[in-house]
Amino acid sequence: DSGVTQTPKHLITATGQRVTLRCSPRSGDLSVYWYQQSLDQGLQFLIQYYNGEERAKGNILERFSAQQFPDLHSELNLSSLELGDSALYFCASTPSGFNEKLFFGSGTQLSVL
Amino acid sequence: SQQGEEDPQALSIQEGENATMNCSYKTSINNLQWYRQNSGRGLVHLILIRSNEREKHSGRLRVTLDTSKKSSSLLITASRAADTASYFCATDASGGSYIPTFGRGTSLIVHP
Repeated sequence: DSGVTQTPKHLITATGQRVTLRCSPRSGDLSVYWYQQSLDQGLQFLIQYYNGEERAKGNILERFSAQQFPDLHSELNLSSLELGDSALYFCASTPSGFNEKLFFGSGTQLSVL
Repeated sequence: SQQGEEDPQALSIQEGENATMNCSYKTSINNLQWYRQNSGRGLVHLILIRSNEREKHSGRLRVTLDTSKKSSSLLITASRAADTASYFCATDASGGSYIPTFGRGTSLIVHP
C-alpha cells in the first residue's frame, strides 16, 4: 500500500458527461501529480500541484482541470468526455516534488461509452 | 512526448533466468527511475539513480546508467514468476521542471 488513495476505482459514464476523480496523497506529501495511462499514448503527465499551487503542466486538455485543496487532496475534473478519454488515471505524491520517487495510487479506470 | 523509451517492448523468459531491460532517453537528465506495474495496478518505485551515479543495486535488481550514451539498463537476476509485470523507466530533463516522464514500458513474462 503506497498510502495514496484514489477514488473511485472504476467509473463508467457516457460521452459528453463530466466526472471528478479524487486523490488523497500520502501523509506529509505536499506535491501531487496526475498521469493518464492509455494503450496508445502510454503514461502521460497531465499536471502537478505543490501545496495548493499549480507547479507544472503537461499534456492536459482544456476540457480537463484540476486543483489541490488546503487539506492537500486533489481533484481532476474531466468534462465533455469523449470515447478517447477512456483510460487509467493515476495520482502520485511526493514530499516536495523535486528529484524524488513517486508514490502512486491504484488509479481510477475511466470508461466512456 | 516520450523522453525515455524501453527496449525490448516484450520479454519472455523462464524462471531462474536473468532479465535485462534497457532505457534510452534524449536529453540530459537529473535522475532516472525504474518502476514496476502489475497488470492494471499502480506503479511501484524500484530504484532511482542520479546522473552522477553509474550503478545501483537493490536486492536482485541492478541498474546501470551511462549518461554518455543516454541509456540505462535494469537487470533482474534469478527471475521469479512473481516478477511478471511491466517495467518503466522515467527521466526528468535537467534544467526542467523535475517531472518524471515515462517510456512505454517493457512487458516481462516469467514462466514457472
